[in-house]
Order: sequence, then structure tokens, then C-alpha cells
Amino acid sequence: KQEVTQIPAALSVPEGENLVLNCSFTDSAIYNLQWFRQDPGKGLTSLLLIQSSQREQTSGRLNASLDKSSGRSTLYIAASQPGDSATYLCAGGGILTGGGNKLTFGTGTQLKVEL
Amino acid sequence: DVKVTQSSRYLVKRTGEKVFLECVQDMDHENMFWYRQDPGLGLRLIYFSYDVKMKEKGDIPEGYSVSREKKERFSLILESASTNQTSMYLCASRGTGGMYQPQHFGDGTRLSIL
Repeated sequence: KQEVTQIPAALSVPEGENLVLNCSFTDSAIYNLQWFRQDPGKGLTSLLLIQSSQREQTSGRLNASLDKSSGRSTLYIAASQPGDSATYLCAGGGILTGGGNKLTFGTGTQLKVEL
Repeated sequence: DVKVTQSSRYLVKRTGEKVFLECVQDMDHENMFWYRQDPGLGLRLIYFSYDVKMKEKGDIPEGYSVSREKKERFSLILESASTNQTSMYLCASRGTGGMYQPQHFGDGTRLSIL
């Protein structure tokens, strides 16, 4: 059974700092890995998806990496801004009946970027 | 952009009531999902559907059922609501086509059972 862990649970950084959020998973037979952002009281916004055959994906100031052998993924945020303040969730994808994709979620890292 | 719409943002119901949560997606996606999110436990899969009238149990299906009569709509049903079902409920959809398809989420329904 896949288990996903995110450390730290909360992080506070000054504006402009580069930062790394960590995600670890127990089952290396991962189908894909997805990073999400969640603002308070809202749903999840998909940020990046890394297929199991890939090592990293980039979107703007965000870069996510995947190392299946060590069971780790990282989300790198460059030049952080107050608008980046949110909870960041990672989820490991597995196969479901009918070709669906089951996501197992970590409990998230709550990020606060201060002025 | 994919749009997943949940019918209510906030809902208050009483113990024992039958509760319906509705979700609609506009991208002709085959796969749809219902999760609940609780502090310290993260998101947990309740049910998913991979086609019309097809459904499979997730990790915590007890006390819930689902209905998918049309491709764009996936309903979560609490047969007899209980206080331990107070939670944030999130619906998601996903197209088929391989490992590069992400799940897209709605804004959630915060359900309180009194």
C-alpha cells in the first residue's frame, strides 16, 4: 500500500527566497506523481505532473523532480512571492480498475511567504 | 481549461438525513472521483467511476454510495448522515490516455452534520 509523507508540515520564508518542498513515497512502482496547490477553503489546483518515466517537470518558477529509486520527489520554488502562500500537496499515482489513476496524498506542507 | 463544478460550497444537514453531493465536469472525462479531506488525514478516496454506471470502492466507502447516470455528472450519497461524516468533500475528474493525465478538482463542499 502506497504511503506518502511530506516534511515539513509548515514552512515560513522571506519573500525572494528559493525553497524546496519534500515528498517521499513507499512504493517505487509509481505511475506518476502530481503536485497540487490548495488555498484556504478551496479545492486543489494541479501544478505539475511527472510521469514515472520522467525525472523532472518545469512550469514557470516551479520545478518538480522524481527519483523513484529513493522514493522521493521535490518541488522547487524560485524567487518566492507572498502569492505563493498556500498548502502544497503531493500525490503518488497508481493504477485503478478501468484504467483510472489512484492518487495517494501526503498531508501537505503549509507555506507562508512573508514580506 | 477543465472545469469541475460542485453544486454547493457549504451544506448543513441533520443526523439521519439522506444527503446528495453533486459534481459536474465539462471535459467529457471518463474518470471521476470523490474524496474527503480531514485535518491530519489528508485526502482519502471514497469512490471512483471509470465510465457511466461503473463504480468502484475507494479506501473509505462505508456509509456512502455513488451514482453516475450521465458521463458529466457524479453524485455522492450519504445514505444516513452521521456526525463523523462532517468533512470537506472534493470531486475530481480525469481523462484517459496514459500516465500524463492529471486529476482536476472542484472547489469542494464543506459539509456539516449536526
